Amino acid sequence: DVQLVESGGGLVKPGGSLRLSCAASGFAFSVYTMNWVRQAPGKGLEWVASISTSSISIKYADSVKGRFTVSRDNAKNSLYLQMNSLRAEDTAVYFCVRIYTSAPGDYFDYWGQGSLVTVSS
Amino acid sequence: DIQMTQSPSSLSASVGDRVTITCRASQSITTYLNWYQQNPGKAPKLLIYAASSLQSGVPSRFSGSGSGTDFTLTISSLQPADFATYYCQQTYSFPYTFGQGTKLEI
Repeated sequence: DVQLVESGGGLVKPGGSLRLSCAASGFAFSVYTMNWVRQAPGKGLEWVASISTSSISIKYADSVKGRFTVSRDNAKNSLYLQMNSLRAEDTAVYFCVRIYTSAPGDYFDYWGQGSLVTVSS
Repeated sequence: DIQMTQSPSSLSASVGDRVTITCRASQSITTYLNWYQQNPGKAPKLLIYAASSLQSGVPSRFSGSGSGTDFTLTISSLQPADFATYYCQQTYSFPYTFGQGTKLEI
């Protein structure tokens, strides 16, 4: 079975840093583009970042550009999100998500359970 | 950025009802439109991809339609497990964007 398991969340002060990890299993991780999506408490879903199979193509939401860095290690079947200069508005559950690319449309088919990041003094 | 607007934001219905949720994109996204269901404290679950394709394992009472800018998600006969929040999403171009959500309540 496909599994995505996030870790690394927690409480951090404004201006601080945190690194999220996502361990993937049950599929050929290296052939899938991966994403991070977040959800602030009581709010909707916000796409954060996308990284292609070989890390050549990386995209970020404007809200995190310059502060967050997405990376992957295909040998370790792992996805990462380095978050720097954290702000209160970055408080959210962060989901690791696989995207399936198809002719009629791409879609997020597998989601991790999420990791809560709280930015507060 | 492509804006996704769902309506209604909330909806009250009963078991057995037929309900429709709409999603409008600010520009054409052809069929790059997906629907997700989310229960409290859980990760979203893919229901419909490419506007009208039913994800494997999803009950056939869920259906999607539309192309271009206007899309609908229909639940033909509500079941207790269907009371949740629903999101549309476009993957036509970056940044990928979601609708604000529709909370379906009993």
